Amino acid sequence: DAGVIQSPRHEVTEMGQEVTLRCKPISGHNSLFWYRQTMMRGLELLIYFNNNVPIDDSGMPEDRFSAKMPNASFSTLKIQPSEPRDSAVYFCASSPRDREQYFGPGTRLTVT
Amino acid sequence: AQTVTQSQPEMSVQEAETVTLSCTYDTSESDYYLFWYKQPPSRQMILVIRQEAYKQQNATENRFSVNFQKAAKSFSLKISDSQLGDAAMYFCAYRRGRDSNYQLIWGAGTKLIIKP
Repeated sequence: DAGVIQSPRHEVTEMGQEVTLRCKPISGHNSLFWYRQTMMRGLELLIYFNNNVPIDDSGMPEDRFSAKMPNASFSTLKIQPSEPRDSAVYFCASSPRDREQYFGPGTRLTVT
Repeated sequence: AQTVTQSQPEMSVQEAETVTLSCTYDTSESDYYLFWYKQPPSRQMILVIRQEAYKQQNATENRFSVNFQKAAKSFSLKISDSQLGDAAMYFCAYRRGRDSNYQLIWGAGTKLIIKP
């Protein structure tokens, strides 16, 4: 299997622009997780889905962040409008039922 | 609420020696999983080892083994014959339950430095 796929790997954008991060989970995995990692705050869970349904979005920082999972093989995390404090590495992870999470390579986002 | 504590922000070890990373957790659950993940400079999060709470036997994966003390709520990682490629951030994580997909509760991480 190709593992969890994330795109883009790097994104540089200007403040105020819309940013869309994409994730393709491992086939057959029924849960998907979005994380943000910064030096200051460490690894934070933003939202997770079970069977394409959002279960807990309490980690989403504010209304500028939104996530969707229209089907079992694709998810997006959108930031609109972006701000410099959103600069971080964003990870997507997936897991099958009752197993550990497998992480993608991450997207490094820089907002100038 | 469950918590995970890694009390060692940084550890260093001489190449080929053994090092132990500490992790403690707090939970009232009886059924849960514990994990160690490794994050090298490439940023990729890699699963190192997994332990089911209902198993008394400590998990082992090649040079990596755990000391799981359920009563003490302790889950340390031992790396034997340390190699330069072991240099990374190591995160301890907890997940409750056995029949669903619950989120992981993460420790703050321990940076492991390998001295050549």
